[in-house]
Amino acid sequence: EVQLLESGGGLVQPGGSLRLSCAASGFTFSSYAMTWVRQAPGKGLEWVAAIIGSGDSTYYADSVKGRVTISRDNSNNTLYLQMNSLRAEDTAVYFCAKKFDGSGWSKMYFDLWGRGTLVTVSS
Amino acid sequence: QSVLTQPPSVSAAPGQKVTISCSGSNSNIGNNYVSWYQQFPGTAPKLLIYDNNKRPSGIPDRFSGSKSGTSATLGITGLQTGDEADYYCAAWDTSLSAGVFGGGTKVTVL
Repeated sequence: EVQLLESGGGLVQPGGSLRLSCAASGFTFSSYAMTWVRQAPGKGLEWVAAIIGSGDSTYYADSVKGRVTISRDNSNNTLYLQMNSLRAEDTAVYFCAKKFDGSGWSKMYFDLWGRGTLVTVSS
Repeated sequence: QSVLTQPPSVSAAPGQKVTISCSGSNSNIGNNYVSWYQQFPGTAPKLLIYDNNKRPSGIPDRFSGSKSGTSATLGITGLQTGDEADYYCAAWDTSLSAGVFGGGTKVTVL
């Protein structure tokens, strides 16, 4: 079955760290760019970070740049998001998503999404 | 504040048509492709439109997309109660080297 399954969310204190994982199955993981998108409670979608299939290039939203690192393990079909110096405004459901095809970023579409994992930053 | 601007809400009666606008700039919509997503409460977004106006398999032709300059539009015809959801536009922003989403539009069927 083609799916993405996030894990690693939870309650963390401000200034703390957390690593999210996204296990992929049912497709050739290394062939596709992947992304993390988050959604704060009651708010809209916010693009967070992306990584190409090989892992050689990464991209970040200004709101997380310097605090977050996206990475992938193609041998284990897993995407990661390491989050440091967490703030209250990082509280959100974090979704991982697969880019639709192998074209460049001019065509940014995500055709497969996980169910999300909730990160709560609070003391 | 989102880089792409959408109206917070739109509404219409069953069977009618709604359109949702998405306004951006040359660095995103103007020079890149637009996609649209549908999201029901508590669930993951679903790809509705890609390449400005193409529908993935399984998406009914009641949903359509268009783009002109730095703006894009999602249209839903034959509105059904099951279409009540939040809709988001998205595009790559070349200047930011980042993806951007619109703020989302809630569709209500009266």
